[in-house]
Amino acid sequence: DIVMTQSPDSLAVSLGERATINCKSSQSVFHRSNSRDHLAWYQQKPGLPPKLLIFWASSRESGVPDRFSGSGSGTDFTLTISSLQPEDVAVYYCQQYYNTPRTFGQGTKLEIK
Amino acid sequence: QVQLQESGPGLVKPSGTLSLTCAVSGGSISSSNWWSWVRQTPGKGLEWIGEIYHSGVSANYNPSLKSRVTMSVDKSKNQFSLNVSSVTAADTAVYFCAKGQQWLEPWGQGTLVTVSS
Repeated sequence: DIVMTQSPDSLAVSLGERATINCKSSQSVFHRSNSRDHLAWYQQKPGLPPKLLIFWASSRESGVPDRFSGSGSGTDFTLTISSLQPEDVAVYYCQQYYNTPRTFGQGTKLEIK
Repeated sequence: QVQLQESGPGLVKPSGTLSLTCAVSGGSISSSNWWSWVRQTPGKGLEWIGEIYHSGVSANYNPSLKSRVTMSVDKSKNQFSLNVSSVTAADTAVYFCAKGQQWLEPWGQGTLVTVSS
């Protein structure tokens, strides 16, 4: 199984400041067949299901604010929120879909400082 | 816009079978090639259970659960299902169904299943 490790486990950022969450996979999730990184990011608020933010490591899902961006390739990825808003308080997860079983990171809890 | 809703017993006895259904509304189950199940626990986080093709002819399961998991599709009811046999307390979790095979979206609201006598 590909192990996904996120850092930090929790993060407190001031409103309007940048938040950066890291995700590292135990093996590359870059697939030569389509030259894409098979990685997604999700946001989960309390009592709600995860919501897709990013797929193919950097493609923003329709309707997701452009302050959310994904970057990275191979084994190292980053989710950046450029200017933190109150509604961004949540737990964020990365997920690889390079192979089965699909695996998720342990989550990063984002709070307001 | 497709919406998903899980249903099933919230309490299952140890050694019994957990059975959940995911109803698809706002679109046909054939609108997506694959449909998935994921569960969430405080201890293990999000755990992928498996995925099933919309026709039901193919499914992939997490090896950690493979011998106990069965998924199926009922096109006539526009729904798909999950069965987990020989459950233990470790199977207590919030179970989500979701659309997709690679990235997952949307997800159902989730249903808590507790394994207890």
